[in-house]
Amino acid sequence: DSGVTQTPKHLITATGQRVTLRCSPRSGDLSVYWYQQSLDQGLQFLIHYYNGEERAKGNILERFSAQQFPDLHSELNLSSLELGDSALYFCASSATGGYWTGELFFGEGSRLTVL
Amino acid sequence: AQTVTQSQPEMSVQEAETVTLSCTYDTSESDYYLFWYKQPPSRQMILVIRQEAYKQQNATENRFSVNFQKAAKSFSLKISDSQLGDAAMYFCAFKETSGSRLTFGEGTQLTVNP
Repeated sequence: DSGVTQTPKHLITATGQRVTLRCSPRSGDLSVYWYQQSLDQGLQFLIHYYNGEERAKGNILERFSAQQFPDLHSELNLSSLELGDSALYFCASSATGGYWTGELFFGEGSRLTVL
Repeated sequence: AQTVTQSQPEMSVQEAETVTLSCTYDTSESDYYLFWYKQPPSRQMILVIRQEAYKQQNATENRFSVNFQKAAKSFSLKISDSQLGDAAMYFCAFKETSGSRLTFGEGTQLTVNP
């Protein structure tokens, strides 16, 4: 158990809908990262938040948004869903900001299926 | 932009034998970090081993070791005395020293045969 909690574990929805994925980092970790794992794109970095502030943005679509709340949990919002958004969405956390050199702790992921 | 390439989509090994997974990367940076992550059927990404580019000595963690060739931009993972529990997808990953993102390779699916 990494200590990173993601909900829901599985989610099935229809095209055009909006979903919210939630992540609680390890106790004490200030950074939260979101990654998308799909069959055609592999593992892609989406976004990084540190102590409530956006630190880095990767290949995140404009239809997607994220935020980190004062209690350090994070939410990834996916809207106007398309079939291609079906993927496993990982959250990870680390104790520090971008200059981490140690282990990045991953959650078990949220499997999103768009029908 | 950095790229990470794993040229072996699938590998298999007999239990107790040794297997080596390959990884190459491309970067213009001189200082960075390299990682191998394991993703078992449970889906969770687990760190296997980490290498700092400025260190010439290859990292070792129990049965796992790496062969880091900086000039060749190669970072292979050797698993000794393979166990059934080693069966998983293995990802090679790169991180700039000052960056926050991991760049992953495509992954190598490792099967361990009893």
